[in-house]
Amino acid sequence: GQQLNQSPQSMFIQEGEDVSMNCTSSSIFNTWLWYKQDPGEGPVLLIALYKAGELTSNGRLTAQFGITRKDSFLNISASIPSDVGIYFCAGWGNTGFQKLVFGTGTRLLVSP
Amino acid sequence: DTAVSQTPKYLVTQMGNDKSIKCEQNLGHDTMYWYKQDSKKFLKIMFSYNNKELIINETVPNRFSPKSPDKAHLNLHINSLELGDSAVYFCASSHAPGEQFFGPGTRLTVL
Repeated sequence: GQQLNQSPQSMFIQEGEDVSMNCTSSSIFNTWLWYKQDPGEGPVLLIALYKAGELTSNGRLTAQFGITRKDSFLNISASIPSDVGIYFCAGWGNTGFQKLVFGTGTRLLVSP
Repeated sequence: DTAVSQTPKYLVTQMGNDKSIKCEQNLGHDTMYWYKQDSKKFLKIMFSYNNKELIINETVPNRFSPKSPDKAHLNLHINSLELGDSAVYFCASSHAPGEQFFGPGTRLTVL
């Protein structure tokens, strides 16, 4: 099935560092989204992007919808221990049936 | 105040058994989903319902049968469980394209 490629697969950083992760697809999407999953919980929506080129912030998080509509990135500034989790990108709306296609995930570990 | 709830949280059962997972959302959303997350954390959609009507069935084996008695509920029944069915199953609901609210998940272990 279709899947989006995320990189890096995992990151281990020090508290206070900035983090950058990205997501690429061979297909165009109309909407890009970023979710975070804490251990033992379901994914939670962080940011949704609706237009190519759009740059959106949510607190310390910033995400961009790539111009080609085939990629997106997420930045986290000044990381804190509670940023630990798995970050998923997701694309919506490139097929006849409207469904969310998830990326492979980036596991983030933050050392205090 | 839970937005999307699932029961049970954990389910351990023998191969060949039949089991159900229940999902309820109190957000007033029209669309609900079932996802499967495997051991490598890959999340994949299984089913989507809109106003109690099935709109997506992602070539899931017919041992899996979703049922939506009303807009707020989407249950998942699994017949003749197999080892490969072991995974975490998430229910979700949405009101806007892509913006989905997930339940806490049900960890299914088939022995």
